[in-house]
Amino acid sequence: ETGVTQTPRHLVMGMTNKKSLKCEQHLGHNAMYWYKQSAKKPLELMFVYNFKEQTENNSVPSRFSPECPNSSHLFLHLHTLQPEDSALYLCASSQVLGDTQYFGPGTRLTVL
Amino acid sequence: EDQVTQSPEALRLQEGESSSLNCSYTVSGLRGLFWYRQDPGKGPEFLFTLYSAGEEKEKERLKATLTKKESFLHITAPKPEDSATYLCAVRPISSGSARQLTFGSGTQLTVLP
Repeated sequence: ETGVTQTPRHLVMGMTNKKSLKCEQHLGHNAMYWYKQSAKKPLELMFVYNFKEQTENNSVPSRFSPECPNSSHLFLHLHTLQPEDSALYLCASSQVLGDTQYFGPGTRLTVL
Repeated sequence: EDQVTQSPEALRLQEGESSSLNCSYTVSGLRGLFWYRQDPGKGPEFLFTLYSAGEEKEKERLKATLTKKESFLHITAPKPEDSATYLCAVRPISSGSARQLTFGSGTQLTVLP
């Protein structure tokens, strides 16, 4: 595997389900990011981790819970989501904070 | 507040018809401006980083330029495979967000054969 990988690529879940998104970067980077991309809207930064420590939480609802066990892996735990949470969730990494970010392919999430 | 505006929202070109995409930004200070390409259902793919006014970078049919208020992505003799959404992002100099990128909404480019 190379670059940034994300699994699953597609996810359909009910409002009462609990699921997790996984991101792995194979670039040796130290910073990782979660973004939400909705149709016709700019990318919205959700969380930032630097050396596996959370540095930013952009007022994201608590139904989204990030986890970063090490600099290569990032998870987004989802529970009791709303239909408006349906979007493309993108993971990115950079060598250091603020450096060029490299994105994964995203997880297309649909909440029924 | 930092702001990035991309225009046009959508652009349709004939193959070989050169054009430019615009990214206007308002930030207290600029650390870097980034261009990405995004294909449908995929993550953004990094193209260029520009750091100072007057800087230019090229890659195949693409050329990015930067002034103090805007950046242009020039596409010379485009091909259908250049069809994608092009995203612009800025990294501002400001406490609290010095390491965050602010993205524009993108320009959806369609190149017709």
